[in-house]
Amino acid sequence: AQTVTQSQPEMSVQEAETVTLSCTYDTSESDYYLFWYKQPPSRQMILVIRQEAYKQQNATENRFSVNFQKAAKSFSLKISDSQLGDAAMYFCAYTGGANSKLTFGKGITLSVRP
Amino acid sequence: DTEVTQTPKHLVMGMTNKKSLKCEQHMGHRAMYWYKQKAKKPPELMFVYSYEKLSINESVPSRFSPECPNSSLLNLHLHALQPEDSALYLCASSQRDSRYEQYFGPGTRLTVT
Repeated sequence: AQTVTQSQPEMSVQEAETVTLSCTYDTSESDYYLFWYKQPPSRQMILVIRQEAYKQQNATENRFSVNFQKAAKSFSLKISDSQLGDAAMYFCAYTGGANSKLTFGKGITLSVRP
Repeated sequence: DTEVTQTPKHLVMGMTNKKSLKCEQHMGHRAMYWYKQKAKKPPELMFVYSYEKLSINESVPSRFSPECPNSSLLNLHLHALQPEDSALYLCASSQRDSRYEQYFGPGTRLTVT
């Protein structure tokens, strides 16, 4: 079975600084998809970034980028120029083929210090 | 319109009650999901509907009964729940399946007394 591991339960970053959230996964599949979702306090969960495993190029969305290391099965999220609105719980997630479910990691709570 | 709506926002029910949660999307998505989420935990998948057919049931107790009346609507019927079923129930939809971005609703906060 696929597993997703987020080993850090909490992190803190100074506003305007850069922070990296770690995620590792385990799979025997060659084709899969990885996601980072953000869930602010009492607000809806939204997609931050999506990576297709067959694409070697790391996905980027504005201040958010990933470091996808397929051989190491690592998928970390880098947030640049952190803002107060980035404070949230971040979940790393994995899915395989069309009939697979989305498997979430335990999540990490990110706080941003003004 | 990239919104998933859920009603009600809050629900308090006794263990003998019957109630329903409702979810709606108008993005033309063909996959819809029910998740259960406890505080500070990841969402746990309950059910997946694909093209209005139940495709995944994660061994959920029969006191939870999903229904997909049409491609825009998803219901979760609740009956004889237990206090441990108290949680945030999230609905989500995606274009075709889990390989695509899931759009989440705000959830229904359920309390079973």
